[in-house]
Amino acid sequence: GQSLEQPSEVTAVEGAIVQINCTYQTSGFYGLSWYQQHDGGAPTFLSYNALDGLEETGRFSSFLSRSDSYGYLLLQELQMKDSASYFCGGIGAGSYQLTFGKGTKLSVIP
Amino acid sequence: DTAVSQTPKYLVTQMGNDKSIKCEQNLGHDTMYWYKQDSKKFLKIMFSYNNKELIINETVPNRFSPKSPDKAHLNLHINSLELGDSAVYFCASSQEGQGDGYTFGSGTRLTVV
Repeated sequence: GQSLEQPSEVTAVEGAIVQINCTYQTSGFYGLSWYQQHDGGAPTFLSYNALDGLEETGRFSSFLSRSDSYGYLLLQELQMKDSASYFCGGIGAGSYQLTFGKGTKLSVIP
Repeated sequence: DTAVSQTPKYLVTQMGNDKSIKCEQNLGHDTMYWYKQDSKKFLKIMFSYNNKELIINETVPNRFSPKSPDKAHLNLHINSLELGDSAVYFCASSQEGQGDGYTFGSGTRLTVV
């Protein structure tokens, strides 16, 4: 089975940097994904780490350390529109199903 | 063109009824999924299905059944609806095993009264 843990809520100031952590326990692991979901909307793909290290996509970066079973999503130059829920997800060996953590609600304040 | 479309967007029904939610994808993906998102926003995988196998999450009641007429469609049929089935149901698709390519539909908000 798999479980992914992430903080339930984070608040940050517009223009700042925020890091959302994700730790996981899974029997076999193919990589860590991050998805964004605005209230009333659908989850949308942000980033994927198949290998250890940092992946950068514009203002968003994601990091994975397999030895620590840990990853994070880094959001820079926060904007009000970044207020949303962020989910980390992983695919375990044999299941080919993306399992999500419980999500982190990010509130960006002026 | 909508990549993953599901209908209806809203569904209100009484306990005990049977209902279906339809999903179609035009991305050419080989695997489709159903997720349930409860009031606490927890996204829980229910099923994954490709032309090879159906994987059912062990916690899903057998009142829920996926039906796939072809690889572009995966419908969700629910029998004997219960109050606890009220949630938002998301359909998604991807190429098998790739965590970076899940595309979600816009969701169906099911309310059981």
